[in-house]
Amino acid sequence: GNSVTQMEGPVTLSEEAFLTINCTYTATGYPSLFWYVQYPGEGLQLLLKATKADDKGSNKGFEATYRKETTSFHLEKGSVQVSDSAVYFCALPYTGRRALTFGSGTRLQVQP
Amino acid sequence: NAGVTQTPKFRILKIGQSMTLQCTQDMNHNYMYWYRQDPGMGLKLIYYSVGAGITDKGEVPNGYNVSRSTTEDFPLRLELAAPSQTSVYFCASTPGTGKEGWAEQYFGPGTRLTVT
Repeated sequence: GNSVTQMEGPVTLSEEAFLTINCTYTATGYPSLFWYVQYPGEGLQLLLKATKADDKGSNKGFEATYRKETTSFHLEKGSVQVSDSAVYFCALPYTGRRALTFGSGTRLQVQP
Repeated sequence: NAGVTQTPKFRILKIGQSMTLQCTQDMNHNYMYWYRQDPGMGLKLIYYSVGAGITDKGEVPNGYNVSRSTTEDFPLRLELAAPSQTSVYFCASTPGTGKEGWAEQYFGPGTRLTVT
């Protein structure tokens, strides 16, 4: 079935550094891909999505491009802020269920 | 709108006790979900529902039960709690409209459960 693999964290960066969080997937066909973010003490919230190959999702300065050739959906941001400190989850649809399967999450810590 | 609310926020159970985790949404969403998040792990789907009266098992349903008698509420029941059920439980909902519209989910703040 569909599955997703994320790079392990934590990732520690200084403010204004460039961020990449790797995500690769295994899927039947070309399902939509998603990044969710979990801020401390909160539930997850949708950060961005891409619905087809070569789509670029973007939100709040974050971007991710759906690359079917490398089955990847890496999350990037050009200049991180302390407020970006959170756990980031890559996700895609479960096979055969109208639900999501999530990666293990990558914790980002941004230091001033 | 309050969104998705969950109660309680924290709970400690003894082995063998039972409890119900409450989840309510005021957005008139058709789809609702229960996930668990173990430390350092991603979310695992326990149960989900595509509408009142309809529920289906997820990836890790053993030891849990759900019901969906109204659109708003989706309680999760733990019978005979075990230490393996120590986790953070998240409820989510989505309107479910459009292509893969169910994938844009709104999450509650979670319930942290410890079984000792």
